[in-house]
Amino acid sequence: ETGVTQTPRHLVMGMTNKKSLKCEQHLGHNAMYWYKQSAKKPLELMFVYNFKEQTENNSVPSRFSPECPNSSHLFLHLHTLQPEDSALYLCASSQEGGVRGNTIYFGEGSWLTVV
Amino acid sequence: GDSVTQMEGPVTLSEEACLTINCTYTATGYPSLFWYVQYPGEGLQLLLKATKADDKGSNKGFEATYRKETTSFHLEKGSVQVSDSAVYFCALGHAGGTSYGKLTFGQGTILTVHP
Repeated sequence: ETGVTQTPRHLVMGMTNKKSLKCEQHLGHNAMYWYKQSAKKPLELMFVYNFKEQTENNSVPSRFSPECPNSSHLFLHLHTLQPEDSALYLCASSQEGGVRGNTIYFGEGSWLTVV
Repeated sequence: GDSVTQMEGPVTLSEEACLTINCTYTATGYPSLFWYVQYPGEGLQLLLKATKADDKGSNKGFEATYRKETTSFHLEKGSVQVSDSAVYFCALGHAGGTSYGKLTFGQGTILTVHP
């Protein structure tokens, strides 16, 4: 079992749909992240949660709504998306939200296509 | 703000050839530096890291040295294998404060190794 599990792995949705991406980490970490990987662009941090509290929102449009009910689960709720939102969405986790000495572990990603 | 610049790809090599992927960065303070690898259809995996100047990270035959004087963290391997074919990402991050957990990535370099 991988440390960070994302579902679904692939999602196709219309612009008027509402869907959610789910992430679960089995590593006992207390920080979780959403990153976006678009074609030909560097990975972009979207949200950071530490101990279930959102500590970073990197100017993400409101059509993306994160939810962190506990330290092990993270959701990304999607509604009225645009075709340019099609990308690979990566969930990650780490211990105590630190970078130095605290490795950030990534899931395998959810491929999202907006039609 | 922080930024990471990687050499343009794709890089195509024959098996057992030497590999160097250049990475330079711009950052305030003393960031930690990372190389992540993404195999086809998978998420990102940490390959190696260095947390202070002159540190050398190494894993699976890959090495990179944190050079503060040249703000570089080049990835090297003496003899590549077909199984090394993947996308390689250079990244930096800061510990503590409001920047913790936030990784800044380069654009990625595609490596293809032929038998």
